[in-house]
Amino acid sequence: AQTVTQSQPEMSVQEAETVTLSCTYDTSENNYYLFWYKQPPSRQMILVIRQEAYKQQNATENRFSVNFQKAAKSFSLKISDSQLGDTAMYFCAFMKPQRAQKLVFGQGTRLTINP
Amino acid sequence: DAGVIQSPRHEVTEMGQEVTLRCKPISGHDYLFWYRQTMMRGLELLIYFNNNVPIDDSGMPEDRFSAKMPNASFSTLKIQPSEPRDSAVYFCASSFGDRGVRVSQPQHFGDGTRLSIL
Repeated sequence: AQTVTQSQPEMSVQEAETVTLSCTYDTSENNYYLFWYKQPPSRQMILVIRQEAYKQQNATENRFSVNFQKAAKSFSLKISDSQLGDTAMYFCAFMKPQRAQKLVFGQGTRLTINP
Repeated sequence: DAGVIQSPRHEVTEMGQEVTLRCKPISGHDYLFWYRQTMMRGLELLIYFNNNVPIDDSGMPEDRFSAKMPNASFSTLKIQPSEPRDSAVYFCASSFGDRGVRVSQPQHFGDGTRLSIL
């Protein structure tokens, strides 16, 4: 079974700083997908960024980028120029493709951006 | 474009009562998921459907929980009888299935229902 581990329960940085959230996972699969979801206090689950395991290039979405290390089974999220609105819980998630569409989530990292 | 719609947003009821949570997936999505989120256990998948058919209900905690999807645009999660330990936020999510094309199909979540059982 796949597992996802986020080793940082909480993080706090100043506005405009760069912050990196860690995620490791365990799988025997070769093809899979990885996601970062954001859950602000409003409770919505918002997709931040996604990565296909067969792609070597790291995904980027504006201020959000990932460092995907397939051999190390590591998938960290970097937030550049952090903003107050980035304050949220961040969840790393793993999904096998085809047929089984189940997401396996990590326990989350609570990120606080301080003014 | 409407997202996943869940109702009610909040539900407070007494132990022993029947609770029904509702979900309308995004039109055209053929997968629907029910999750439960608690502080202790994080996000847990309860059950998911493909083309209205339950595929995996191994996450459903007990027989008190049941889920149905009578058509492509509606699903319910029912708890009967409810207990205080069922208090949680329940999310519904939907997605397109992977058609074998190597493109990720992320799940889109509703705003969740916060359930409190007194």
